[in-house]
Formats: sequence, C-alpha cells, structure tokens
Amino acid sequence: TQLLEQSPQFLSIQEGENLTVYCNSSSVFSSLQWYRQEPGEGPVLLVTVVTGGEVKKLKRLTFQFGDARKDSSLHITAAQPGDTGLYLCAGGKTSYDKVIFGPGTSLSVIP
Amino acid sequence: DTGVSQDPRHKITKRGQNVTFRCDPISEHNRLYWYRQTLGQGPEFLTYFQNEAQLEKSRLLSDRFSAERPKGSFSTLEIQRTEQGDSAMYLCASSLWEGPPEAFFGQGTRLTVV
Repeated sequence: TQLLEQSPQFLSIQEGENLTVYCNSSSVFSSLQWYRQEPGEGPVLLVTVVTGGEVKKLKRLTFQFGDARKDSSLHITAAQPGDTGLYLCAGGKTSYDKVIFGPGTSLSVIP
Repeated sequence: DTGVSQDPRHKITKRGQNVTFRCDPISEHNRLYWYRQTLGQGPEFLTYFQNEAQLEKSRLLSDRFSAERPKGSFSTLEIQRTEQGDSAMYLCASSLWEGPPEAFFGQGTRLTVV
C-alpha cells in the first residue's frame, strides 16, 4: 500500500511569515502534485514535480521533489491571508496508476 | 469547456435510500476519478476509469457503491442503501491519460444522510 504522509497537520501563522510543509512516503512516485483546497470547493492543482531534485517556483511558492522521488516540500515566502487553505500532495506510483492523496496540511494565515 | 461539472452540488437523503451522482469531465480527458472526502481529511480514492474501462476500485469500498462510465464521457456514482457514515463530499476529477496525472476537480457533491 502506498501512503502519503503530510506534516504538519495544522499550521497557523502571522501574515508575512515563511513556512514549509512536507509530504513523505516510503514509496517512489513517478510524479507528485500539490493542490490547494478551499472549504466547499474541489482541490485546485498548483504544480507537478517529476524529476528527482527538481525545484519549481510559483510566485511566492517553492516546490521541491526529493532526489529519491519519495518526498516533496512546499515553501511559502511572506505568507498572505489569501494563502489560507488545505494543501494536499498527491501522486501515483506510475503515470498510469491511481492517484492517491495525503491527509493535507491546513494553513491559516492571520492578518 | 467550463471544466469538470458535478451534479447535484448538495444531496440530503434518508438512511436506506439510494442516491446517484453525475460527473461530466473535461471533454478531452480520458481519465476520470472518484474520491470521497470528509471534513479536514484528504480525498480518499474510490475508483478510476480509462475511457469506459474501470481500472481499479478501492478495496475499502463496500458493494453498495458502484460507478459507471458507459460511453467514456460522463460518469455516475451510485450508493445503495445509504448509511449515515456515507455522509461526505464526493469529488470527481479528470485528467489526460498521457503524462503526469494532473487532475482537475469538480466542485463536489455534498451528501448528507439523515
């Protein structure tokens, strides 16, 4: 069974602070996706990382895929209240496998 | 194309009743997924399709759950003899078969079993 774990489960920070959330597994993934979900809505895709060691930047968000493709991190610089939401990592063992999700990190950015 | 569409958005049903949800994926997407999500948790995999073929169904899913994608386009998820524990958000997503599985989600169907 391939499982994705995320930490921390909850995070509450002040506007302007930096933060990092983590996604870990004992299994190798062909790629990992990061999503953000707001209450009552479906998850929205932020980024896909494919190559071990890959780093992708999306404005104030930096995503990294571990060298062994078993883990990933999301770093947010100077968090804003609009960053509040549930951050989910997801992936499949192969490109054609089912996609499973981690339990998510619930982020609250306080103005 | 306006994205993945799910219907209804909300459903309240009495315990023991059957319910059916519909998902219309992005038209060029041949992969379709169903997930269930409870408050504060990540989406739990239920099943997925490649065109009309159901490739995998979660072993955690009871026989009361069934999904179809008869023509490789829209999909339906049926829950028979609903139980209070079935109350959750049911999410549908679609993606292309080729490349990383970048899934686009609908807004979900919120099921409440009373």
